[in-house]
Formats: sequence, structure tokens, C-alpha cells
Amino acid sequence: EAEVAQSPRYKITEKSQAVAFWCDPISGHATLYWYRQILGQGPELLVQFQDESVVDDSQLPKDRFSAERLKGVDSTLKIQPAELGDSAMYLCAAARGRDTEAFFGQGTRLTVV
Amino acid sequence: AQSVTQLDSQVPVFEEAPVELRCNYSSSVSVYLFWYVQYPNQGLQLLLKYLSGSTLVKGINGFEAEFNKSQTSFHLRKPSVHISDTAEYFCAVSEGEANAGKSTFGDGTTLTVKP
Repeated sequence: EAEVAQSPRYKITEKSQAVAFWCDPISGHATLYWYRQILGQGPELLVQFQDESVVDDSQLPKDRFSAERLKGVDSTLKIQPAELGDSAMYLCAAARGRDTEAFFGQGTRLTVV
Repeated sequence: AQSVTQLDSQVPVFEEAPVELRCNYSSSVSVYLFWYVQYPNQGLQLLLKYLSGSTLVKGINGFEAEFNKSQTSFHLRKPSVHISDTAEYFCAVSEGEANAGKSTFGDGTTLTVKP
């Protein structure tokens, strides 16, 4: 199975700054997920896309987080302003459809200082 | 709402010994169940999945898991572990076909294989 590409792999940013993560899913995988994994915990869903549309963003802190998938292919997750508590691994996952399992990228490790 | 409980946060075991990592879940609907492995600073790799059919599921790297609906469990087993199996293991549940990739995860079990 081809990889889900994420960049950057690591990011250090100062609090109150803006930061963005990018995900390029497997070709033809219409469903895309962003998860946040705090150290020592399991991943938690932030947002789910079906093609370019948001299906579920109920757990996305919308005052500072935004996500888009303009052409239904790659996706960007943004945090503005970053807070110390946002330090975590941000994982992107893709699936062929809502009825199939998702494959994960390598993640972006964010450290807010 | 669904939830996952991984009953052991850390499991130390000697090389070539058998291991079982325990997972219980709760859900009001039929579920899909998954086990993932995560190495340090890496993403999650799917070990195995239960969607339907046989309750004994075989996965990669010699792992298998058994779905027990009455006990709402999905325990992961391997008959003989290797040093390279040292990693974090996550159990996850999805509420059925319409949301197969939308998973609720447990907090993970750290498997440490000692020589």
C-alpha cells in the first residue's frame, strides 16, 4: 500500500505563532482524517473529510484550528495561535471510502515552546 | 458513544515467550475492531482487523486476535515474541460500516521484549 505523505515530520514553534501541517493521501482515497495524539495517549479524531467536504469536525477546536481540503486531494491543518498544550503528534489517515479502514501517515511532531 | 480500554499500560516479556495484550470495548452498535502498532516517532501501522466473519483474525508479523462479542473483548496474541516487537500497541473500535476509518482508540500498551 502506498504511503500517506505528511510534512513536515517535526516542527518547533513558539506559542502564539501560526503553524500548518500538510497531508497528501493515497491516490483515490476519498476519505481523509486528521487525528491528534498527545504523548502517552491514543489518537483522537479532529476532523473527517469526504472528498472536499467536512463530514465531522465536532472535536476540532475551531477558535484556533482550521482544516481544508480544497480539491479533495491533499489537506492542510492550521493552528493559529499555537498554545503550549497543542504539543502533540498530528496524524493524517486516508481511506478509499467511509466503509473501509484508514491508513496512517508518519505524522508531524509539533512542539510549542 | 464508543470507548476502548486497554487493560495493561505496560507489558514486559522475555524474547520467545508468548504475549497477550488485552482490549475491551463498549459500543451500542455493531463494530469494526483494529490493532495498530506504533514505533517511536512513527505513524500507526495496521496489524489486523475484524470486520465480520471468523472471530479469530490473523495479522502481520505473526499476531492474531480473537473477537469475543459476549465479553466485548478483542485481545491480541503472539505465541513467540521477538526483540523487534518492542513498540506501542493500540486497540481501536469503529462503529460499523459507515464509519470504518473513524476510530476511537485506547491509550495504548507498551510492549517491551527483553533478551
